[in-house]
Amino acid sequence: EAQVTQNPRYLITVTGKKLTVTCSQNMNHEYMSWYRQDPGLGLRQIYYSMNVEVTDKGDVPEGYKVSRKEKRNFPLILESPSPNQTSLYFCASRPGGYEKLFFGSGTQLSVL
Amino acid sequence: EDQVTQSPEALRLQEGESSSLNCSYTVSGLRGLFWYRQDPGKGPEFLFTLYSAGEEKEKERLKATLTKKESFLHITAPKPEDSATYLCAVQADSNYQLIWGAGTKLIIKP
Repeated sequence: EAQVTQNPRYLITVTGKKLTVTCSQNMNHEYMSWYRQDPGLGLRQIYYSMNVEVTDKGDVPEGYKVSRKEKRNFPLILESPSPNQTSLYFCASRPGGYEKLFFGSGTQLSVL
Repeated sequence: EDQVTQSPEALRLQEGESSSLNCSYTVSGLRGLFWYRQDPGKGPEFLFTLYSAGEEKEKERLKATLTKKESFLHITAPKPEDSATYLCAVQADSNYQLIWGAGTKLIIKP
């Protein structure tokens, strides 16, 4: 089944404790992206990747890192999480530049 | 500045009561306008892409239309299972990135 898989589904952590949210797609998509979703603010892009080893900042990149060493994987790294990073995170992918996005099921992160 | 505004923020309808959701946009050169459906706690699911003014697309009880300034998502005789948040996003000719609206939360009461 074609899908975007995120893990974990739920994560509770404390301020300053490094964490990684994994994202994997099995559709051989070139483009991958991370979003955060907060009530009333809609989806905001954190980082995106046009292909392996090519990443770029979105609208809200501060406090986040990403890497794209393989085409299928695009992990999101929070090196020192803070409470304002408490949010619902989505990974998404698409074949190229202008097609529809396929989303993962989301990761609900709480930073205490 | 490119932006997308969806209205209303929330809409409560009785089952069978038809209505429309609005997505107004300003973008320098529209490449495409996308509609997604999002159920609580889940990722958005693709519904439609519209590319040019006058274009219409339908899927079951949903029909999306596009003008040069806005798009409408018409819901005909909705059922409770149509309850969800509907998201609109636009993509400009000059940019791969999507500009998202805040969404409209639709509640259909039996």
